[in-house]
Amino acid sequence: EPEVTQTPSHQVTQMGQEVILRCVPISNHLYFYWYRQILGQKVEFLVSFYNNEISEKSEIFDDQFSVERPDGSNFTLKIRSTKLEDSAMYFCASTSGDWGSYEQYFGPGTRLTVT
Amino acid sequence: AQKVTQAQTEISVVEKEDVTLDCVYETRDTTYYLFWYKQPPSGELVFLIRRNSFDEQNEISGRYSWNFQKSTSSFNFTITASQVVDSAVYFCALKPLGTDKLIFGTGTRLQVFP
Repeated sequence: EPEVTQTPSHQVTQMGQEVILRCVPISNHLYFYWYRQILGQKVEFLVSFYNNEISEKSEIFDDQFSVERPDGSNFTLKIRSTKLEDSAMYFCASTSGDWGSYEQYFGPGTRLTVT
Repeated sequence: AQKVTQAQTEISVVEKEDVTLDCVYETRDTTYYLFWYKQPPSGELVFLIRRNSFDEQNEISGRYSWNFQKSTSSFNFTITASQVVDSAVYFCALKPLGTDKLIFGTGTRLQVFP
């Protein structure tokens, strides 16, 4: 069964450093998402991406964040200058875009620790 | 406001007990979608079910069943004859039409003891 994959599974970085989190969505899916979950809290939407552009973003997704689909398979989230409060689990998700089929399939997550 | 409330923070049951996880949502939209996801201790989010606002039929899948009631804005999830492997955090989520995002509740941690 096709699945969303994410690398790395755990990333430790120092405050102020740039990080890139990588995702490979399910191959025939057209919509891609990033969410984050601070430890023990609920899952929060960051951004959605369709047709090579951002279609929606939350107030969390400020200028420090960017997303890119550099090729036909990868979808990346970049954080330019990490802060302590960026420490969280970051989930990538994708959905097919077929009418009525709005369930998003999530990857296993990347745990980002900012020290 | 669009919101999902899962009032039960944590539930503990003994194996083979039935358990119901509550979910109440708020939206002004007439078309929307509701979801349940499971987050086991390993951390991934596993899709369980989607329900469309215009389809109020309840659904059963094995030991899982879902009760959608628009009149009370609830979408409750029942596990029958719970098993230790059901131990996880369960999230209810809302997707209004016209937005890409899923709005998650705070989750209910279910612990099933042998």
